[in-house]
Amino acid sequence: RKEVEQDPGPFNVPEGATVAFNCTYSNSASQSFFWYRQDCRKEPKLLMSVYSSGNEDGRFTAQLNRASQYISLLIRDSKLSDSATYLCVVRPGAGSYQLTFGKGTKLSVIP
Amino acid sequence: NAGVTQTPKFQVLKTGQSMTLQCAQDMNHNSMYWYRQDPGMGLRLIYYSASEGTTDKGEVPNGYNVSRLNKREFSLRLESAAPSQTSVYFCASSDWGQGSYNEQFFGPGTRLTVL
Repeated sequence: RKEVEQDPGPFNVPEGATVAFNCTYSNSASQSFFWYRQDCRKEPKLLMSVYSSGNEDGRFTAQLNRASQYISLLIRDSKLSDSATYLCVVRPGAGSYQLTFGKGTKLSVIP
Repeated sequence: NAGVTQTPKFQVLKTGQSMTLQCAQDMNHNSMYWYRQDPGMGLRLIYYSASEGTTDKGEVPNGYNVSRLNKREFSLRLESAAPSQTSVYFCASSDWGQGSYNEQFFGPGTRLTVL
């Protein structure tokens, strides 16, 4: 089983739609969780951290279910500018300096 | 602040040639990382340096060497390039400490083609 698994997509949605991405991780000792965004031919950038109680940043909501080892990202009222690849990222353990990246889910928001 | 910078942006090598990718960060971060990104494979860690003076192998270290020159700079060397090393290479840096969520900041990448 891969350490961090995501549906690769692509997800093609109309402007204004709500879209949800899911991610599962295999290491139950994982400590920190993130969603990164990567635009075409650009570097990944942090979109938001994911906290145990869930958190929201404008149109974006992230949820964590430690029991199921499952992370989600919800985007409401999709904009054309949301088109990108979304990477689920996990820090494997308390003593780890590394991050483990999922392969990403591609989103295209269509006019 | 420039953040994380990488040079060169593009490079074409012939099989067997060597080259060094340079990376520098101006955020006073302790940890630095080298990744490669291939279509369908996602980001894979090559080497990392948790702090100045230390380096460790990541998931795919074969064919590469690294040097943590000082706190700011972390270079990646390909001694004898192979076509399988054609990829996009990203350098990243992060802070490390109590309470840190270990966000990594990435450079713009180097697109390397080995013929």
